[in-house]
Amino acid sequence: QSVLTQPPSVSAAPGQKVTISCSGSSSNIENNFLSWYQKLPGTAPKLLIYENNKRPSGIPDRFSGSKSGTSATLGITGLQTGDEADYYCGTWDTSLSAGVFGGGTKLTVL
Amino acid sequence: EVQLVESGGGLVQPGRSLRLSCTTSGFNFGDYAMNWIRQAPGKGLEWVAVIRSKTFGGTAEYAASVKGRFTISRDDSKNIAYLQMNSLRIEDTAVYYCTRKWTTYDYWGQGTLVTVSS
Repeated sequence: QSVLTQPPSVSAAPGQKVTISCSGSSSNIENNFLSWYQKLPGTAPKLLIYENNKRPSGIPDRFSGSKSGTSATLGITGLQTGDEADYYCGTWDTSLSAGVFGGGTKLTVL
Repeated sequence: EVQLVESGGGLVQPGRSLRLSCTTSGFNFGDYAMNWIRQAPGKGLEWVAVIRSKTFGGTAEYAASVKGRFTISRDDSKNIAYLQMNSLRIEDTAVYYCTRKWTTYDYWGQGTLVTVSS
């Protein structure tokens, strides 16, 4: 049971847009920076979004992040088959004094 | 170029110990908190431990699942972070990643596989 809640899977067609939600609480998402990571099999997680809505250099603007209260959303537009991966949200939980992640969302580009 | 390289993984019997190392280069190691994050087979990412920079007290925090069994440490003179894992359990089997953190885990190592099995 993950502290942050994500849908197990989402899917959309190439070229379309998809959103992935991440729900938490006041001790984690609401009062700490939220990040999003892309995980492909056999590779290390890759940072997509940090500090709620900022993109590291090299991450295309097809990826966006937003946060409101105890929830956050990752948006991906212009879907490509190469976007098929598992996506994780992560932050710090002040009450637990621990890092926390969502359970991950598997994106399928149909 | 920022690099993090994990080592020390392998096959170990339940109850035994293992020490992972994270050798870094390309950044001022002493400025960053260092974390270990793992992924068990078929499971999601699980945060394991953090050791803060000396500026922030050099203190450590642990996931409840490893507290009392794992110890994170750092050697700022060698730019290396460690994870001492004692009393290993089958459920500790995972790929262990080392990451640095400022406000996020921005750079990750390639991971080292730890398999706990008899």
